[in-house]
Amino acid sequence: GESVGLHLPTLSVQEGDNSIINCAYSNSASDYFIWYKQESGKGPQFIIDIRSNMDKRQGQRVTVLLNKTVKHLSLQIAATQPGDSAVYFCAETIGGGGADGLTFGKGTHLIIQP
Amino acid sequence: DVKVTQSSRYLVKRTGEKVFLECVQDMDHENMFWYRQDPGLGLRLIYFSYDVKMKEKGDIPEGYSVSREKKERFSLILESASTNQTSMYLCASCSTDTQYFGPGTRLTVL
Repeated sequence: GESVGLHLPTLSVQEGDNSIINCAYSNSASDYFIWYKQESGKGPQFIIDIRSNMDKRQGQRVTVLLNKTVKHLSLQIAATQPGDSAVYFCAETIGGGGADGLTFGKGTHLIIQP
Repeated sequence: DVKVTQSSRYLVKRTGEKVFLECVQDMDHENMFWYRQDPGLGLRLIYFSYDVKMKEKGDIPEGYSVSREKKERFSLILESASTNQTSMYLCASCSTDTQYFGPGTRLTVL
C-alpha cells in the first residue's frame, strides 16, 4: 500500500540554526498535509498544515513547503530552540480533511545541540 | 483551544483483563479516532467514529472494540488484554480538518 515516509530518522542541529525536516509521500491523490510535533511521553501536537493548492505556508518560526511534482513535503524551523527537540512527523489525507483519515509517516527525531 | 483528554496516562493490566480507555473532547467534534503507536511502526488506526453510535474499523481493529454513546466521549475496549497490546494509545478528534490528539495512555499488559 501507499505510505508516507521520512528521509532521515534522526536530525541533529545546533541551537539557533535552522532545521529542515523532510517527508516523501507516495499517494499523488493526497491533498491535505499536516505536520505534528511529539515530545517524549506526550501526544502529537499540531504544528501546521497545508493544502495541495498551496506551495508554501508560514506559521510562527515554521514554514511548510509542498512540492507536488516530486511528492515532497518539508518543515522548516527557524532559529531552533531546545524546546524544539521532539519527533516530527507528517501526515497526509485525500479528501481535504483529517476526518477522512490520515496516513502518518514514521517520524524524524530532531535533536538540538547546545 | 481544542482539548482532548484521556482517562489515564499510565495503565498496567494483566493478561485476560477487560480494559477501558476513555477519551473526551470539548470541541463538539463529530469525528473521533483511536490509534496505537509502537516504535518503528508509527501510528496505526484502530477504530474511528464519525457520529454518536457510529463506528468504523481502522487498519488494526482485531482485539478491540469501541463505544460512542455521547458525542464528546469515545471509548476503546480491550475485551481480553494480551501482551501484544502493550502500547501507547492515542485518541484524536477533528471536525473537518486537523486531527487533534490527546496526551496518550501508555498501557502495559503483563
